[in-house]
Formats: sequence, structure tokens, C-alpha cells
Amino acid sequence: QVQLQESGPGLVKPSQTLSLTCTVSGGSISSGSYYWSWIRQPAGKGLEWIGRIYTSGSTNYNPSLKSRVTISVDTSKNQFSLRLSSVTAADTAVYYCVRASEYSGYGYYFDYWGQGTLVTVSS
Amino acid sequence: DIQMTQSPSSLSASVGDRVTITCRASQSISSYLNWYQQKPGKAPKVLIYAASSLQSGVPSRFSGSGSGTDFTLTISSLQPEDFATYYCQQSYSTLGTFGQGTKVEI
Repeated sequence: QVQLQESGPGLVKPSQTLSLTCTVSGGSISSGSYYWSWIRQPAGKGLEWIGRIYTSGSTNYNPSLKSRVTISVDTSKNQFSLRLSSVTAADTAVYYCVRASEYSGYGYYFDYWGQGTLVTVSS
Repeated sequence: DIQMTQSPSSLSASVGDRVTITCRASQSISSYLNWYQQKPGKAPKVLIYAASSLQSGVPSRFSGSGSGTDFTLTISSLQPEDFATYYCQQSYSTLGTFGQGTKVEI
């Protein structure tokens, strides 16, 4: 059974960089055809896709965040990470790390989720 | 960007009711549509992928249909554990946008 667990600071100051790590257990992050993704959810609001990294290392980002986001992978530790720079209060949210599985050529769905971690941006 | 619009935003129902939630895409997304259930304080859980494929372990009272721009999620007989918020999500484009959610309440 695949499990994902987010870790990182719960409080980040405005203009600084938010850094989170997702540790994957129950399977190798470098095997299979999966996208390793980050999704966030502000309190009481909907879900926003931040970006993903493929098994090959290629990345895709939400255009609205692209200039501030970096997603990377460390296969030796079975982890992938999120960095979001120049944060503001609008970046306060629960951040989820998620695995996406492919179907039908290029369709995908989010099948395994971390429990989520609340990151608050405040001085 | 592909916009996903769900209706209604919320609904009240009783145990045993048949519930239908709709999701409309701003352009055709073929069958690249997934449905998730989220309970308070928990991560979302996939129910349906590829518009109508039931995820393993999900009760058969959940079903999905549609293609192109219009999709539905149906719960045939609402159970107490089904009170939650439901989201649709398109995977036609790399930017996998979600609908705004539908809260199913008693």
C-alpha cells in the first residue's frame, strides 16, 4: 500500500520561500508511470493543482504559479519536494502531496494522497 | 484554461435518496473526468475516473456518466457516510482543474 507523508514548516514569513517534502513509502518513486504532484486547498475553499514531476524528472506547473514554483525529486530518499518562493498570505493553505496514475494514453487521476499539511504565511 | 463548473453548490438530502451532481467543462474533455469525495479534515478520495470507471474499493452505489462537456455523478441510495463534499476534475489538460465542489448535507 502506497503512503505519502508531507513534512516541513507550518509557518512561513511573507516574501520567504515555502519548502515541503513528501516521503513515499510502500513503493519506489522511480518505478511505474506516475506523476508526483502537489495540490493545495485554502481553508474552506476548493482544490488547486500546483504542479507535478514525472518519473523521468520532467515537470509541469500551474501557469498562475509557474514563476514561483519548483518541484524536484530525490529518488535515493524516495522523496519529492515543493519550493514556492515570495509567498504571501494568499499562499496559506493545506498542501497535499499526491500520486497520479495514468490511463487511456494521457488521462490521469489522483489515486494516493498525503494527509495534508497546513502552511500559514504570517509575520 | 479549462473551467469546470459543478451544480448545485450544495444540496440537502436524506439517507436512501438518489443524488445527482453535475459537472460541466468549458470545452470538450472527451472522457477525461474524475470524481473525488472529501470529508472534513481529510484528503480527497477518488471515486470515479475516466468519467465512468469505478475506483477499486468504492461502493457500487456510486456511478459516473457523460462525455464531452457534461458529466454526472450519481449516488443511487445515499448512506450516512456519504455526507461530504464532491469535486470533479478534468485530466484532459496538464493543468488538471477542479470544480468548485458540491456539499451534500442532511
